Amino acid sequence: ENVLTQSPGTLSLSPGERATLSCRASETVSSSYLAWYQQKPGQAPRLLIYGASSRATGIPDRFSGSGSGTDFTLTISRLEPEDFAVYFCQQYGSSLTFGGGTKVEIK
Amino acid sequence: QVQLVQSGAEVKKSGASVKVSCKTSGYTFTDYSMHWVRQAPGQGLEWMGWINPKNGGTKYAQKFQGRVTMTRDTSISTVYMELSRLRSDDTAVYYCARAWNYGMDVWGQGTTVTVSS
Repeated sequence: ENVLTQSPGTLSLSPGERATLSCRASETVSSSYLAWYQQKPGQAPRLLIYGASSRATGIPDRFSGSGSGTDFTLTISRLEPEDFAVYFCQQYGSSLTFGGGTKVEIK
Repeated sequence: QVQLVQSGAEVKKSGASVKVSCKTSGYTFTDYSMHWVRQAPGQGLEWMGWINPKNGGTKYAQKFQGRVTMTRDTSISTVYMELSRLRSDDTAVYYCARAWNYGMDVWGQGTTVTVSS
């Protein structure tokens, strides 16, 4: 199984700051098969990024994804109040796995 | 608009089975596979498997092989996930989510399953 490790576990930032979230895979992931989600308390996850770098419908351009191979990054250029949430990466190879999540909290 | 509406919360005894439904609308049911994902309280997301509504084909995560069954009813555009031999650590919110571009673009609202001894 391809294990995804997200870091940091928690990111404490202020609105307007830049957030950089990491997702590292134990095996190579095809870029087409890497996605990022946002989840707020009591809600279902929401797809942000697919194919490592393509924004899903309706996702603001302050969210961007990058990376290849085993190292992927989600960047939020300027945090808005509604961006404080938990973020998960996900890969789809021989099986499908999620990372453990990064919580972005207000500093 | 595309919607996935799941069945209501369930409380089950250890050893019992639970069957969760996910009714779809707003798109052609057989055009997209459906994933099932669960989330234990305060924990991350765990993939359980998917079903192809066109032919009923399934793929299950190894962890759930032998305990999970995913089915569909094309006449009512609904998919089902049944989990048997429930244990306390199966207590979680269960989501259906539409497969799209190797991700999941639309999610149900979640169904809370509580397993008590």
